[in-house]
Amino acid sequence: EVQLVESGGGLVKPGESLRLSCAASGFTFSSYTMSWVRQAPGKGLEWVSAISGDGVYRHYADSLKGRVTISRDNARNSLYLQMSSLGAEDTAVYYCARGFLTGYCSDNWGQGTLVTVSS
Amino acid sequence: EIVLTQSPGTLSLSPGERATLSCRASQSVSNDYLAWYQQKPGQAPRFLIFGASSRAAGIPDRFSGSGSGTDFTLTISRLEPEDFAVYFCQQYGRSPYTFGQGTKLEIK
Repeated sequence: EVQLVESGGGLVKPGESLRLSCAASGFTFSSYTMSWVRQAPGKGLEWVSAISGDGVYRHYADSLKGRVTISRDNARNSLYLQMSSLGAEDTAVYYCARGFLTGYCSDNWGQGTLVTVSS
Repeated sequence: EIVLTQSPGTLSLSPGERATLSCRASQSVSNDYLAWYQQKPGQAPRFLIFGASSRAAGIPDRFSGSGSGTDFTLTISRLEPEDFAVYFCQQYGRSPYTFGQGTKLEIK
């Protein structure tokens, strides 16, 4: 069974940094693209970033480029999202999602981790 | 960046009726790489459709996708009570892989 478990969310102050993690199991992690998608309270889905299975190709939302870095450790079956200069607009549930086949739509999602940016 | 516009914002229908949801792209979606997801309150999204018209594993055949280029449609042929949710489209043909703003399907 595919499992994706996010961690690292919580309450942070404006301007601070945060690193989210996603532990994957139940599939050959290195064979799949992975993505981060976020959802602000009461809002729609916002695609954040994606990474190829080998970690070579990385893609970012235009609005977040320069403030986020996606990475993965295939030996640890883990995906990461490093975020900096956080603002209130970054308050959201952050989902980790597995890519479908070799593409960048997502067939399996974690339950999400909530990031709240507030002073 | 490709902007996806979903319509209507809210669709009010009764169980047993047919639902038609639209997703329009600001530019042509490469290879018709358009996906649809369903989301219920407090849950993660559920993968429904890929490649504009192919159903994901385990998705009932009352869900169907169609369209190409810039205009795409998700149709639910006969609504079941569990189908009332929010639906999102996503293009994954060209980075950034954007989502539409969603259509809420509510019980009339």
